[in-house]
Amino acid sequence: AQSVTQLGSHVSVSEGALVLLRCNYSSSVPPYLFWYVQYPNQGLQLLLKYTSAATLVKGINGFEAEFKKSETSFHLTKPSAHMSDAAEYFCAVKRSGANNLFFGTGTRLTVIP
Amino acid sequence: DADVTQTPRNRITKTGKRIMLECSQTKGHDRMYWYRQDPGLGLRLIYYSFDVKDINKGEISDGYSVSRQAQAKFSLSLESAIPNQTALYFCATSAPSSSTDTQYFGPGTRLTVL
Repeated sequence: AQSVTQLGSHVSVSEGALVLLRCNYSSSVPPYLFWYVQYPNQGLQLLLKYTSAATLVKGINGFEAEFKKSETSFHLTKPSAHMSDAAEYFCAVKRSGANNLFFGTGTRLTVIP
Repeated sequence: DADVTQTPRNRITKTGKRIMLECSQTKGHDRMYWYRQDPGLGLRLIYYSFDVKDINKGEISDGYSVSRQAQAKFSLSLESAIPNQTALYFCATSAPSSSTDTQYFGPGTRLTVL
């Protein structure tokens, strides 16, 4: 069975500090991995996705994530947080050929001025 | 204009009422999905449809039904709403043009069942 674990339901960082949001997956084979962002009162927007090409994936708004098979992780990072990054972030996993996306429980990012 | 639209955006109803949430898309995608979001639980799949003649149950389909009226329209119904169906509901679409099958989400419908 596939599952996704996001460590930390709430993360706070200062403006300009490094953002690190953690995601670990369990899958019998390397899956496809996604990060979505949800701004207040909006739907989910795709930030980036891992598709078994490069292990370091760059997304929108300066975010990137690195697929580490040995650690079964796909952590999301951004070197310098901006106030506009405050949102909820969801990691999701999909096995090749499967129909479903499985979502983590989300991490709410707060950026402190 | 938004590619995936949902109506209504907010709805308050009473226990036992029938409710329909509608989703329309202009992306030309074949695949459509309904999810519900609850605090601390992330998104869970209710139903999905890979084309007009294909409807599949998701993880939490009990108490819900769907109708795929056309390629661009996918509605979710609660035949007899109950308070624990209070949640944020999202429609999503995807195109099977690649194996990643990236999903694109609508803005959500906030449903409150009293």
